[in-house]
Amino acid sequence: GQQLNQSPQSMFIQEGEDVSMNCTSSSIFNTWLWYKQDPGEGPVLLIALYKAGELTSNGRLTAQFGITRKDSFLNISASIPSDVGIYFCAGQPWGNKLVFGAGTILRVKS
Amino acid sequence: NAGVTQTPKFQVLKTGQSMTLQCAQDMNHEYMSWYRQDPGMGLRLIHYSVGAGITDQGEVPNGYNVSRSTTEDFPLRLLSAAPSQTSVYFCASSAGLEQFFGPGTRLTVL
Repeated sequence: GQQLNQSPQSMFIQEGEDVSMNCTSSSIFNTWLWYKQDPGEGPVLLIALYKAGELTSNGRLTAQFGITRKDSFLNISASIPSDVGIYFCAGQPWGNKLVFGAGTILRVKS
Repeated sequence: NAGVTQTPKFQVLKTGQSMTLQCAQDMNHEYMSWYRQDPGMGLRLIHYSVGAGITDQGEVPNGYNVSRSTTEDFPLRLLSAAPSQTSVYFCASSAGLEQFFGPGTRLTVL
């Protein structure tokens, strides 16, 4: 089946730092989505990307749909403690089906 | 609107027992799906439905059954629970590209 490689697997953040994570695929996707999951909750959609090359922002979050349609990245600027959680990329090859990456765990550096 | 609701929130089963995980949505969405979430593996699609009376298999369907008799409900049945089915289960619904997730059911099979 289709697989997404998401990196890094985990990272520690210090308040105020910028954070980057990305996803790559061996297949072309028509849509890229980025979700965040808080502990004990289901994933919540952060950003949806529909066109190759598209750059979209949602507050401090910025995501891009790669030109090759096989990758996407998510940046978080000036991180704050409530940014901790698990971030998932998801690709949508067709219809409503989603293929998820393994997730990037964001933790606070102590 | 309650969105997507799932019951129970936690469940412990013995090997061989059967049970049904409940999922309901009040958004009149046609598309509903079930995922399982395991550490380091993201979310994997178990079964999905594009409307009442129509279901299909996802990536990891073995050991699970679904039915969709109404638009609102999409229960997931474990026929004979196995320790490999210990996981967190999420139900989701969508009308378009954005999938809305329920809060999850944490299942442990002993």
